[in-house]
Amino acid sequence: GESVGLHLPTLSVQEGDNSIINCAYSNSASDYFIWYKQESGKGPQFIIDIRSNMDKRQGQRVTVLLNKTVKHLSLQIAATQPGDSAVYFCAEKGPRGGGGNKLTFGTGTQLKVEL
Amino acid sequence: KAGVTQTPRYLIKTRGQQVTLSCSPISGHRSVSWYQQTPGQGLQFLFEYFSETQRNKGNFPGRFSGRQFSNSRSEMNVSTLELGDSALYLCASSSGTGDTEAFFGQGTRLTVV
Repeated sequence: GESVGLHLPTLSVQEGDNSIINCAYSNSASDYFIWYKQESGKGPQFIIDIRSNMDKRQGQRVTVLLNKTVKHLSLQIAATQPGDSAVYFCAEKGPRGGGGNKLTFGTGTQLKVEL
Repeated sequence: KAGVTQTPRYLIKTRGQQVTLSCSPISGHRSVSWYQQTPGQGLQFLFEYFSETQRNKGNFPGRFSGRQFSNSRSEMNVSTLELGDSALYLCASSSGTGDTEAFFGQGTRLTVV
């Protein structure tokens, strides 16, 4: 049968508002997490990362929060701009010594910034 | 510092053919990982090469293979192409040691007809 495309959740925000994108990860042993932004026709672009010994990390206009108890990751974007419109992916990496750099990606969230 | 370079950007192949994609990582990076991105399955890990050795492998059939050269450049090959192999193939470069971010190339868009 025909495969069904992944239904990407969409978050629509007004320019200047804050955005919060959520992600549930699967492996409780994962100890490194990355958020990527992917614009149409481009490869994923690194935004920010966080290690499992932290619960919050801030970058320029972005903050990542990690809740290991419920295996939840969130990306907060302050003062969202039209250039932030893209698909956002969270990715997790297994524990050190678990073998290499394999990243497991979430399904992604489409962020739309309205003027 | 140059980014990750993938060639070609676009490719159209016929079912049954084979294809080779190339990835040049960031200078100094020793790890190259390959991912397949499709609307149906999202981003899926194919394999990782580090210092010319396959270090990790995803759940793809043996038709998908790769290799890495001494200069860290990597190629992936898909033999006996199927329509379902149509996808964006992405290469990610990282230092390969410790927890460091992976940087992606623009990808190769493969269409199988």
